[in-house]
Amino acid sequence: NAGVMQNPRHLVRRRGQEARLRCSPMKGHSHVYWYRQLPEEGLKFMVYLQKENIIDESGMPKERFSAEFPKEGPSILRIQQVVRGDSAAYFCASSPTLGQGQETQYFGPGTRLLVL
Amino acid sequence: AQTVTQSQPEMSVQEAETVTLSCTYDTSESDYYLFWYKQPPSRQMILVIRQEAYKQQNATENRFSVNFQKAAKSFSLKISDSQLGDAAMYFCAYRLYNDMRFGAGTRLTVKP
Repeated sequence: NAGVMQNPRHLVRRRGQEARLRCSPMKGHSHVYWYRQLPEEGLKFMVYLQKENIIDESGMPKERFSAEFPKEGPSILRIQQVVRGDSAAYFCASSPTLGQGQETQYFGPGTRLLVL
Repeated sequence: AQTVTQSQPEMSVQEAETVTLSCTYDTSESDYYLFWYKQPPSRQMILVIRQEAYKQQNATENRFSVNFQKAAKSFSLKISDSQLGDAAMYFCAYRLYNDMRFGAGTRLTVKP
């Protein structure tokens, strides 16, 4: 049973470019979460999605950031017009359906974004 | 707002000995979940142990156990018989519904 998959593992962008981060949840998981980790800090919640729905985006910056989890395919975290402050590790996590252990989140290996 | 505090930025333990990592949290809720995650140099987040707040019994996973003090809002992690592979950042986390909060982490060094 494959774990949560994220790609790319490393992404380098120049200021003003767009970054697209992908996350495929564990098989059977319908809940996806995105977190950002700055160096020497803990993870900060960004957004929680279910298929075709954004449930909670309270941790996501209002501008330049967007997320989706389409009916088919991976979840995408998109950062437009990146700035140096966007450099961080972005982690995706997934969890099963409510009543089937939804409280536990399983993390992917993360995408390290570096903005030059 | 729920906050998670890890007061020990760094800890060190001798191989085969026991170490305890501290975590406190702030909440007005009574039903929630607590977790410890391990982040080795690879930076993969690995679930170590979890605790349901409604359970009085402390969770145990092999060499890892917790001391959950609900009234004190304390959730410490004990690692017994420490191994070199235990060296990592350890994050305490609190979850209520969709809201998952992480502490700043404790860096554990294991000395051979």
